[in-house]
Amino acid sequence: GQNIDQPTEMTATEGAIVQINCTYQTSGFNGLFWYQQHAGEAPTFLSYNVLDGLEEKGRFSSFLSRSKGYSYLLLKELQMKDSASYLCAVIDSNYQLIWGAGTKLIIKP
Amino acid sequence: IAGITQAPTSQILAAGRRMTLRCTQDMRHNAMYWYRQDLGLGLRLIHYSNTAGTTGKGEVPDGYSVSRANTDDFPLTLASAVPSQTSVYFCASRDSDNSPLHFGNGTRLTVT
Repeated sequence: GQNIDQPTEMTATEGAIVQINCTYQTSGFNGLFWYQQHAGEAPTFLSYNVLDGLEEKGRFSSFLSRSKGYSYLLLKELQMKDSASYLCAVIDSNYQLIWGAGTKLIIKP
Repeated sequence: IAGITQAPTSQILAAGRRMTLRCTQDMRHNAMYWYRQDLGLGLRLIHYSNTAGTTGKGEVPDGYSVSRANTDDFPLTLASAVPSQTSVYFCASRDSDNSPLHFGNGTRLTVT
């Protein structure tokens, strides 16, 4: 079966750095997305990785290792508004999206 | 503003009643999706449509039906609602197979 694993919940301090991991086992791989979802709102797109390596976008970076079936989202200089759930999703060989259950990130002052 | 519009925003529905959740996009995306999101389970695909005139079943299609008469609209119908269909429903669309999904704001449905 296809599976994506993310930690259920993480806590970090305002101004710090946090890394949210995602491991996947899917039938094929055609890319990986990270989404942010604030409570009561829709998911919004953060990043897309299809090749190995790091993609940087401001305070957020996303890393991919296809051989290890592993990605992480790195958030720097954390702000209170970064409190949200972060969803990892993989595009499989049929171009269907497989979603992780999401990681709830709690930022403390 | 281009995007996806869902209606209603929220609804309380008696068990056994029929309900259609509406979804309209103005981005001319070919592919559209319906997900439900429940605490601890993440997003689960109900039905999808790769292009107007075609639909397919997702992970949890039972009790739901969809139609795709044109590019813009993708309504989701619950023929006879049951309490287990209490959830937040998101409609989404994308331009191509590797494009990110764009989500509507969701419909919060409670079946009593």
